Amino acid sequence: AQKITQTQPGMFVQEKEAVTLDCTYDTSDQSYGLFWYKQPSSGEMIFLIYQGSYDEQNATEGRYSLNFQKARKSANLVISASQLGDSAMYFCAMRESNTGFQKLVFGTGTRLLVSP
Amino acid sequence: GAGVSQSPRYKVAKRGQDVALRCDPISGHVSLFWYQQALGQGPEFLTYFQNEAQLDKSGLPSDRFFAERPEGSVSTLKIQRTQQEDSAVYLCASSFPVTLSAEQYFGPGTRLTVT
Repeated sequence: AQKITQTQPGMFVQEKEAVTLDCTYDTSDQSYGLFWYKQPSSGEMIFLIYQGSYDEQNATEGRYSLNFQKARKSANLVISASQLGDSAMYFCAMRESNTGFQKLVFGTGTRLLVSP
Repeated sequence: GAGVSQSPRYKVAKRGQDVALRCDPISGHVSLFWYQQALGQGPEFLTYFQNEAQLDKSGLPSDRFFAERPEGSVSTLKIQRTQQEDSAVYLCASSFPVTLSAEQYFGPGTRLTVT
């Protein structure tokens, strides 16, 4: 079974609108972390936001927020007020305690295109 | 400060050649990771170092892949007798603490094309 599932290969949004990128995960661990990374065409992975499994509040970082629904095992990324520079690939990833909090397991990504 | 750097940025190898990919992590970062990213896919874990110790190499796809970090800083990923299926972007990442929330800082990657 896939550990991280991103079902949206591509998403389109107009500038200044909000967009939600979906992510569901599969783990039997009680302690785990969820991450979102952005990968522009230059190729470098840029960390956006983190949510721990025990965090009661949804994480927020500027225009990024994470809609964490633990019972549904979903961790959707919400980008508010989209900008042209937000056009990129977005990856959801998980780190589990049974791997010693080491490696990240990534989904297949969602390509976001922001139009003027 | 300087981020994670990787060299070369692009490498073309003929099938059967050996290649060596270098990663310079952020100074002082204890943990170093290698990932392989095939076209249109997310990165997949290859191996993990804590200082000079290779603690996890479960993701290395075959015994043609070998990684080292002899002095606990710079790391080299070596691929022997390259095959076309090795064509991918190889990403290196480093982090300081080994905790659940520790961010991994990624380099720009090396794009390997095997012809």
